[in-house]
Amino acid sequence: SAVISQKPSRDICQRGTSLTIQCQVDSQVTMMFWYRQQPGQSLTLIATANQGSEATYESGFVIDKFPISRPNLTFSTLTVSNMSPEDSSIYLCSVEPSGNTDTQYFGPGTRLTVL
Amino acid sequence: AQRVTQPEKLLSVFKGAPVELKCNYSYSGSPELFWYVQYSRQRLQLLLRHISRESIKGFTADLNKGETSFHLKKPFAQEEDSAMYYCALVASNYQLIWGAGTKLIIKP
Repeated sequence: SAVISQKPSRDICQRGTSLTIQCQVDSQVTMMFWYRQQPGQSLTLIATANQGSEATYESGFVIDKFPISRPNLTFSTLTVSNMSPEDSSIYLCSVEPSGNTDTQYFGPGTRLTVL
Repeated sequence: AQRVTQPEKLLSVFKGAPVELKCNYSYSGSPELFWYVQYSRQRLQLLLRHISRESIKGFTADLNKGETSFHLKKPFAQEEDSAMYYCALVASNYQLIWGAGTKLIIKP
């Protein structure tokens, strides 16, 4: 298994500002993912972040809005840029242990409220 | 302490048999609970929320506050139900607390 922590756990931000969310894993993993769960909606994959390569974004998400860093095998950041109230969500980091595509481990999430 | 427990790492049942995936929680307030599913080589997706009391793909889950449980049930398992199932709780700080997951295998 993997233990994942996220910072901050929650934040309230002003429109037009940016917030960087950190995800730390207690073991080295190849694949890390960022998800969003908006109020009343299902979990949506934003992007896949593999160490040493550019993040792969899902339809509807772009790098300018959600830049991602993956500097090593235990850490990743997601930035929510130029925020608007529509960005209010829970943002989740997850990891997939190397060689096991059937299991993901999820972080506790970051609850973002944009005013 | 706020906690979600899925006691079974692996559950294997025959096609057509009833399925029950167990989830117990520890939470002092009024819980908000979810079941998520991850099919092989796919990403995690929401299966159902206790608030909506809906039935998705034949699955239901009833919140039992007396037993602090939110077990996922389906009367007749199908092969396509084989997946990882995660129970999750919204904690008092609004973060998600995840169960360890149960791998469900439906045998033909």
